[in-house]
Amino acid sequence: NAGVTQTPKFQVLKTGQSMTLQCAQDMNHNSMYWYRQDPGMGLRLIYYSASEGTTDKGEVPNGYNVSRLNKREFSLRLESAAPSQTSVYFCASRLPHRGLNTEAFFGQGTRLTVV
Amino acid sequence: TQLLEQSPQFLSIQEGENLTVYCNSSSVFSSLQWYRQEPGEGPVLLVTVVTGGEVKKLKRLTFQFGDARKDSSLHITAAQPGDTGLYLCAGGTNAGKSTFGDGTTLTVKP
Repeated sequence: NAGVTQTPKFQVLKTGQSMTLQCAQDMNHNSMYWYRQDPGMGLRLIYYSASEGTTDKGEVPNGYNVSRLNKREFSLRLESAAPSQTSVYFCASRLPHRGLNTEAFFGQGTRLTVV
Repeated sequence: TQLLEQSPQFLSIQEGENLTVYCNSSSVFSSLQWYRQEPGEGPVLLVTVVTGGEVKKLKRLTFQFGDARKDSSLHITAAQPGDTGLYLCAGGTNAGKSTFGDGTTLTVKP
């Protein structure tokens, strides 16, 4: 059971470089999310996608863009990386969207360092 | 922005002790979830509570949702080293977004 798969697991970028974090889920979930987790803090929502073809901003969207490529895949792009974006990034999915009574399944995270 | 405050932020106890962690907000949530996260892994759901006053038990873990659906607690009885981890609460709303607290880092020493 793959669940939610994120790539890469680790990445070091120089300031100003760009990269895309990939996320795929095989559970046929409608909703997908990108979070960042900084030391001593919980998860902060960057962007989410309630269903294929839709995306919305979360709490901390600045400096990021997303693409919901199809129902399975939701990517996060950093156009010009900054040291403040050093963090652990988690992708999650759940079904259904409204009410949020359902379980969110998380990937193992991408540890990004921007130098 | 709906905020969830968790307390304590850090907790270090001996095996066999009991503990309670809290999740508080000034906002009302339609549901509240507790997750546990181990180092290097993503969070994993422990429980979802949806009704004010609801109490759920999961082996040695007892979860309670406040009557006004603004707060929750997690009580662990006879803690074990395997309970070590980061405990996160997450509040859900009908608007479709969830808010996570900053977590309680629990260390249970053998």
